[in-house]
Amino acid sequence: IQLTQSPSSLSASVGDRVTITCRASQGIASYLAWYQQRPGQAPKLLIYAASTLQSGVPSRFSGSGSGTDFTLTISSLQPEDFATYYCQELNSFTFGPGTKVDIK
Amino acid sequence: QITLKESGPTLVKPTQTLTLTCTFSGFSLTTNGVGVGWIRQPPGKALEWLGVIFWDDDKRYSPSLESRLTITKDTSKNQVVLTMTNMDPVDTGTYYCAHQDYDSIDYAVYYYMDVWGKGTTVTVSS
Repeated sequence: IQLTQSPSSLSASVGDRVTITCRASQGIASYLAWYQQRPGQAPKLLIYAASTLQSGVPSRFSGSGSGTDFTLTISSLQPEDFATYYCQELNSFTFGPGTKVDIK
Repeated sequence: QITLKESGPTLVKPTQTLTLTCTFSGFSLTTNGVGVGWIRQPPGKALEWLGVIFWDDDKRYSPSLESRLTITKDTSKNQVVLTMTNMDPVDTGTYYCAHQDYDSIDYAVYYYMDVWGKGTTVTVSS
């Protein structure tokens, strides 16, 4: 299974609504997670099972989708959200190539 | 509180074998469903999953690296060891270990990496 993410990078402002897409090469039901990685830090789990918010993660993060198409949405971008976001398939554990979110 | 810490050499020569240790606390690798995974990241590049070992000693490896990888555990020491043979400069990067937990939702079981170590940097160079 291969994962693609779009866009590969985006520029946004604080307060913007941001949507990142992850597409699987074949159907994976809801076996998808999203991670955030800030520069110089280890990844942090945001969402698993496509839409289940990990404990302690702010509610401005949400995930949706099933089958082959998934989205991560940040409802109102905060300064600490500028980072790279990765999706991961939860059977093969393959990661997507990442989407970098930086400041406009 | 779950914590994990990677340790091992920072520099290895091409063709050598890399051995990294993940020392953890706050959980037991004898608990049903729990695992420890390994992930790496070349400088400026994406994450790459390497493998995982579960509480019952079940192991899974990345198909592209399986011939070079071995993951073992020592539950008495709360450690997991990753061995990678025939190291090459393209294997340079940060290596992470992570606690793998699971959740059951609507009769499906999802395994995910919820706590990560800070990572250790490995450079492959002669």
